Amino acid sequence: QKEVEQDPGPLSVPEGAIVSLNCTYSNSAFQYFMWYRQYSRKGPELLMYTYSSGNKEDGRFTAQVDKSSKYISLFIRDSQPSDSATYLCAMSGGKLIFGQGTELSVKP
Amino acid sequence: DTAVSQTPKYLVTQMGNDKSIKCEQNLGHDTMYWYKQDSKKFLKIMFSYNNKELIINETVPNRFSPKSPDKAHLNLHINSLELGDSAVYFCASSQETGASTGELFFGEGSRLTVL
Repeated sequence: QKEVEQDPGPLSVPEGAIVSLNCTYSNSAFQYFMWYRQYSRKGPELLMYTYSSGNKEDGRFTAQVDKSSKYISLFIRDSQPSDSATYLCAMSGGKLIFGQGTELSVKP
Repeated sequence: DTAVSQTPKYLVTQMGNDKSIKCEQNLGHDTMYWYKQDSKKFLKIMFSYNNKELIINETVPNRFSPKSPDKAHLNLHINSLELGDSAVYFCASSQETGASTGELFFGEGSRLTVL
């Protein structure tokens, strides 16, 4: 079993939709939870970062962590074509482990 | 000014050749990394250096040799290239605490194709 599981998609939604991206993990030692966004032919860039359980909001993006279920989510409200990218979850408890990434396409 | 820059961006070479990728960061970070991203987008750490000292060395063939001449530079040399080495190689950097918290800054990647 992989330490971090993420559905690779692809996921296609119409502009304005609410997008939900998810990851599950198996290692209870993870304390830091991140979402990275990677545009085509670019390096990943840190989008959101949370410590332990709870919610964090930044504009149209909300990150949720549920440590009891070992489940993290990223919600994108009012999705835009410019949100089309691969979204990678990542977790750290000393070493950073990435999910496979979900490819998202937002159609105008 | 690019924060983490890698050269070259593209490399096409024959099996058996030796090649190098260079990385420089101007963020003043203490820790630098090499990651490999395969065709399925899996991003896997290869090496990590903190202030020129090797701290993470994952199970990587010894054909891969990193070198950090100073804390702003981390190079990757690959000997006897194989078809399976084809991937995108990313350099990244972080403050020392970022190594635990996961706040990494990535370069744009070096796309290696081995024929």
